[in-house]
Amino acid sequence: NAGVTQTPKFQVLKTGQSMTLQCAQDMNHEYMSWYRQDPGMGLRLIHYSVGAGITDQGEVPNGYNVSRSTTEDFPLRLLSAAPSQTSVYFCASSRGTGGYGYTFGSGTRLTVV
Amino acid sequence: AQTVTQSQPEMSVQEAETVTLSCTYDTSESNYYLFWYKQPPSRQMILVIRQEAYKQQNATENRFSVNFQKAAKSFSLKISDSQLGDTAMYFCAFMNRQETSGSRLTFGEGTQLTVNP
Repeated sequence: NAGVTQTPKFQVLKTGQSMTLQCAQDMNHEYMSWYRQDPGMGLRLIHYSVGAGITDQGEVPNGYNVSRSTTEDFPLRLLSAAPSQTSVYFCASSRGTGGYGYTFGSGTRLTVV
Repeated sequence: AQTVTQSQPEMSVQEAETVTLSCTYDTSESNYYLFWYKQPPSRQMILVIRQEAYKQQNATENRFSVNFQKAAKSFSLKISDSQLGDTAMYFCAFMNRQETSGSRLTFGEGTQLTVNP
């Protein structure tokens, strides 16, 4: 049972480049989310999904795009990378409505130069 | 919107001693969940303990327990018999129980705990 798998673990982008952060879970969880972690600010929600075909914006959605075509996968796309998007990104999933807590992936450290 | 505040950016404790991490939150909701997550240097986010707001009994998981004061909107974490492996960043988090909120977690800024030998 792999849990929540994120790839890549590290990435360096140039300003203006685009890329996709991958996230997959094998627990048949309905709820999935993307967070970014910046020093002194905790984790902030970017986008979330309550099931295949359903996504919505979180607290800091600008510059990011998501889709959920399957229950297992929830990729995060950076449309045109900016230095302000330098951060650690976490994908998380939960069964039910999240009350039992989310399971997090190991994170992706992204640097935009 | 909910907010979560952790007023202690850093704390330290001696091995085998007890330490309490503070968390306060602000919400107009009455039905919600509270969590403590641990993030060791490996960066992995690990769920430590959860509390359902409608339950008056404080949650306990082995050496970890909470003091949940709903009226005061306070949710502190007590770690007993501290171990070197408890060294980590600890995050307090809030989740509204209403399904329409999408089960979003709101995190505090974190408290870096160091356990000294």
